Amino acid sequence: QKEVEQNSGPLSVPEGAIASLNCTYSDRVSQSFFWYRQYSGKSPELIMSIYSNGDKEDGRFTAQLNKASQYVSLLIRDSQPSDSATYLCAVNTRDDKIIFGKGTRLHILP
Amino acid sequence: GAVVSQHPSRVICKSGTSVKIECRSLDFQATTMFWYRQFPKKSLMLMATSNEGSKATYEQGVEKDKFLINHASLTLSTLTVTSAHPEDSSFYICSAKNSGMNTEAFFGQGTRLTVV
Repeated sequence: QKEVEQNSGPLSVPEGAIASLNCTYSDRVSQSFFWYRQYSGKSPELIMSIYSNGDKEDGRFTAQLNKASQYVSLLIRDSQPSDSATYLCAVNTRDDKIIFGKGTRLHILP
Repeated sequence: GAVVSQHPSRVICKSGTSVKIECRSLDFQATTMFWYRQFPKKSLMLMATSNEGSKATYEQGVEKDKFLINHASLTLSTLTVTSAHPEDSSFYICSAKNSGMNTEAFFGQGTRLTVV
């Protein structure tokens, strides 16, 4: 089983709608979870970090963590065309490495 | 967020030569730095993890003699691609974090290496 799994997409969402991105991870010991955004040809940019079960909100972004289900999600409200990018889920493993999923390509339809 | 500076952003070199890429944390102490490689439309693949003052830990399948990593200070790590070949052409990205599990890693701008 891969350590961090994401649906590769593309996920197409109308402008103004909510985009929902999902991620599962395999290592139950993991304590730190991150969402990064990567535009084509650029390096990843940190959007959110989450460490505790539940929701964490920052502006239009909400990260959700369920450690029992080993599931992390990212919601983007009021989606904008500039949100079109690849979203990478990352997990800090038990040996303090940060491992990435393959990323989900998000396309916001104007 | 914290700033990580990576240089050069783009380099073209001839086969057989070596290329050094620098990764600097500008406003925090990076006890751990990660080096990733990303091929077009592919995911980030962790190559190695380096901790300041100790040898880097390489992922399976990554040749440590080919990809030399030095993390001599809390603000600088370097990756040297030795005897580069065209198949080494890729996007190399570093990230840096402070110690502890609950700390974010911040990325440099990446280096696009083309070996001709």
